[in-house]
Amino acid sequence: GENVEQHPSTLSVQEGDSAVIKCTYSDSASNYFPWYKQELGKRPQLIIDIRSNVGEKKDQRIAVTLNKTAKHFSLHITETQPEDSAVYFCAASIADRGQNFVFGPGTRLSVLP
Amino acid sequence: NAGVTQTPKFQVLKTGQSMTLQCAQDMNHNSMYWYRQDPGMGLRLIYYSASEGTTDKGEVPNGYNVSRLNKREFSLRLESAAPSQTSVYFCASKIKDYTFGSGTRLTVV
Repeated sequence: GENVEQHPSTLSVQEGDSAVIKCTYSDSASNYFPWYKQELGKRPQLIIDIRSNVGEKKDQRIAVTLNKTAKHFSLHITETQPEDSAVYFCAASIADRGQNFVFGPGTRLSVLP
Repeated sequence: NAGVTQTPKFQVLKTGQSMTLQCAQDMNHNSMYWYRQDPGMGLRLIYYSASEGTTDKGEVPNGYNVSRLNKREFSLRLESAAPSQTSVYFCASKIKDYTFGSGTRLTVV
């Protein structure tokens, strides 16, 4: 079955700097890769996703890149702000089969003022 | 449109007590899930239901049972609570993406 690894487990950046979180997956059939943000004491919420027919997707200060050959994808946050502090989870699935998501273990991002 | 509603939000149980966590969604999603999240850890799948009338075990099903009562509702039951079941429990539903409930913080003493 699918296995998703995520690095780093914790990340501290200065406000205004960029943050990058990387995930790798094992099943080459996976074609859908969402990212979830979980603020302290809150529920995980979808922030961006990418399908395997696209190499990069941007939404304001966040972007996701996908390298299908290497089976890894990354979340990029530019101009970080204190409200970006949260736990971020990546996930992988085979979308057209309605498969369950396999989540990575999470990255705790701290944006220091 | 409430999304995914979980009750209760907080609960303290004594070891050996039983309880049921309730989850309901109003988005007409087929798939529903129960996850647990321990401090500093990720999401671990307990049980899921791909459609009304079906349930399947996830990664950590021991000590739990589930019921998919209808398309809207998916409940999680602890028959004899143990301190190891102290956790935050999230219900979720899905068509394309997961929508999570607000969570139940359960403490077993």
